[in-house]
Amino acid sequence: DGGITQSPKYLFRKEGQNVTLSCEQNLNHDAMYWYRQDPGQGLRLIYYSQIVNDFQKGDIAEGYSVSREKKESFPLTVTSAQKNPTAFYLCATATLVNTEAFFGQGTRLTVV
Amino acid sequence: GENVEQHPSTLSVQEGDSAVIKCTYSDSASNYFPWYKQELGKRPQLIIDIRSNVGEKKDQRIAVTLNKTAKHFSLHITETQPEDSAVYFCAASSSGGGADGLTFGKGTHLIIQP
Repeated sequence: DGGITQSPKYLFRKEGQNVTLSCEQNLNHDAMYWYRQDPGQGLRLIYYSQIVNDFQKGDIAEGYSVSREKKESFPLTVTSAQKNPTAFYLCATATLVNTEAFFGQGTRLTVV
Repeated sequence: GENVEQHPSTLSVQEGDSAVIKCTYSDSASNYFPWYKQELGKRPQLIIDIRSNVGEKKDQRIAVTLNKTAKHFSLHITETQPEDSAVYFCAASSSGGGADGLTFGKGTHLIIQP
């Protein structure tokens, strides 16, 4: 929505491959987040960043990596170390003052 | 860390009736409690939120109540309509502002029967 672009919408990965999911925002929000959603489950936090060149692990960071080289961008790499990567991945942003989180449209990753 | 429990997992109500979804949280430091609505295949969207200095908040047919002593909060939807059918998630933030991310419940699938 309104300034958060996730790409691609669908992604297929072969076992053993690393893949990178893109998240770009033009809302000028300081904080960016990656969540994973599995069927019948809530959203679980993978990584988050409150400032450029700094990021923190969330609850399920193993097998994932991120970078925050620009305020607008927060790409997520799903590495081969992630044993069960098939899921719906959602990027979100928020200001540090108002805690409302805005979500992107999501990327559906499938291992083939 | 924070843990959020949400009940029920599925709720079916007749159109026009009320629906109530309940959540409990574990971290007494949590002070921000949003509710998100997610339609099939789409992103979650915020429908209402409440902060710990408020006991109740209402927005048209939707209301949220918070009991900090008991560490639970609830979503109330009155006069339900077919477009209310979706999955609803509660969440909590223990970082003093949500900047460290949200902890979500597992969701409630709300079905509005015509």
